[in-house]
Parts: sequence; C-alpha cells; structure tokens
Amino acid sequence: AQSVTQLDSQVPVFEEAPVELRCNYSSSVSVYLFWYVQYPNQGLQLLLKYLSGSTLVKGINGFEAEFNKSQTSFHLRKPSVHISDTAEYFCAVSSAGGTSYGKLTFGQGTILTVHP
Amino acid sequence: GAGVSQSPSNKVTEKGKDVELRCDPISGHTALYWYRQSLGQGLEFLIYFQGNSAPDKSGLPSDRFSAERTGGSVSTLTIQRTQQEDSAVYLCASSLRRGQAGELFFGEGSRLTVL
Repeated sequence: AQSVTQLDSQVPVFEEAPVELRCNYSSSVSVYLFWYVQYPNQGLQLLLKYLSGSTLVKGINGFEAEFNKSQTSFHLRKPSVHISDTAEYFCAVSSAGGTSYGKLTFGQGTILTVHP
Repeated sequence: GAGVSQSPSNKVTEKGKDVELRCDPISGHTALYWYRQSLGQGLEFLIYFQGNSAPDKSGLPSDRFSAERTGGSVSTLTIQRTQQEDSAVYLCASSLRRGQAGELFFGEGSRLTVL
C-alpha cells in the first residue's frame, strides 16, 4: 500500500516570495511521483512528474520539485510566486513499472494563497 | 472533444434517489478513471477502465456504486439510493494508454449534493 502526506494544509505567502509545499510518501515499491494543481472550479492539471533520472524536475509555470529517496520526499518549490498561483496543490504517487497503470494515490492537498 | 467532459456539473438530489454521472474522455484515450473528492477526504480512487479488460472496482465504497463504459468511450457512474455521505465532487480522468504513468487528464467534475 502507498500513502502520501502533505504536511501543510494551507500556505499563505506574499506575491514574489518563494514557496515550498511539502510532500512525503510511503511505499514498499519503487514509485512515480506527481504534483497536480487545481484552480478554483476546475479539474486537476498535471504540474510535473518524476519517473526516473534527474531528481530535480521542472514543470509548468516555473515550478520545480526534487525527489529525495532517502527522505521519501517530493517537495514542490517556486522561487517567486504570482497571484495567479493561488490554487490547491496535490501530491500523488503511483507504483513504478510492473502492472502499474497510472492509479494514483493522492495527498490531502495544500491550499496556496498568494497575497498582494 | 478537446478535454474530458463531465455532466452534469452540478446535481442536487434527495436522499434515497438514484443518480447518474457521465464522463466523455478525450478521444483516443483508452484508460478512464473515476475519483471522488470530498471535504476532509482528499481524492479517492473509485474505479478504472482499460480497453476491454475487466475494470478495477477496488475503490468503490459500497455496492450502491457502479460504473460502466460503453464502446470503450463514454462512462457512466451510477449511485443508487444516495446517502448524504455521498455528497462530493466526482472527477473523471482519462489517459492515453496503460503505463502512461500518471499523465491523467481530468474533467471539471460533477458536484453531487444529497439533501
């Protein structure tokens, strides 16, 4: 079984400040890791993913995340946020390889609110 | 269509009634998923369809929930004898093929309110 813990339910920041949204996971097998973003009244959109290779992955809208296997973490970062980044962010995990078919286990979500 | 389409976008029903939620995936996507998003529960996997294979129903919370996918395209999620705890946003997602790790494309969801 797999689980995902997003350590902060809400993160308020000021515009142009840096932000980090924390995600830890638990799994007995190798995993793929993802961050999805959900803007108000919209569906989820893939922000970035880690499948293999470089542990630092870059996504859309200037976001990046770093996979740390020893700490079982996949924190999301952005050096300077905009008002438009206000949304809910979900970390997710799936089993890597084998019979994996993209079934995702999601964290509880982190609401990022960017203030002017 | 350009994206995953879900209907209705909002549904209010009375306890005990049956509801049907529809999902039209992206054309050519063979995999289809249903998730439920509830306040305080996050996103829960419900069911997965891949081509003509038997669906993975392991996430359905009770036998009041069922889903089908006709012709490998449109899917309908049916909830019988709705209860207040069924109130949630039901999200449908599709992906291009099996093994396309995590690249799910989500619809905007159907918000169900059971009074």
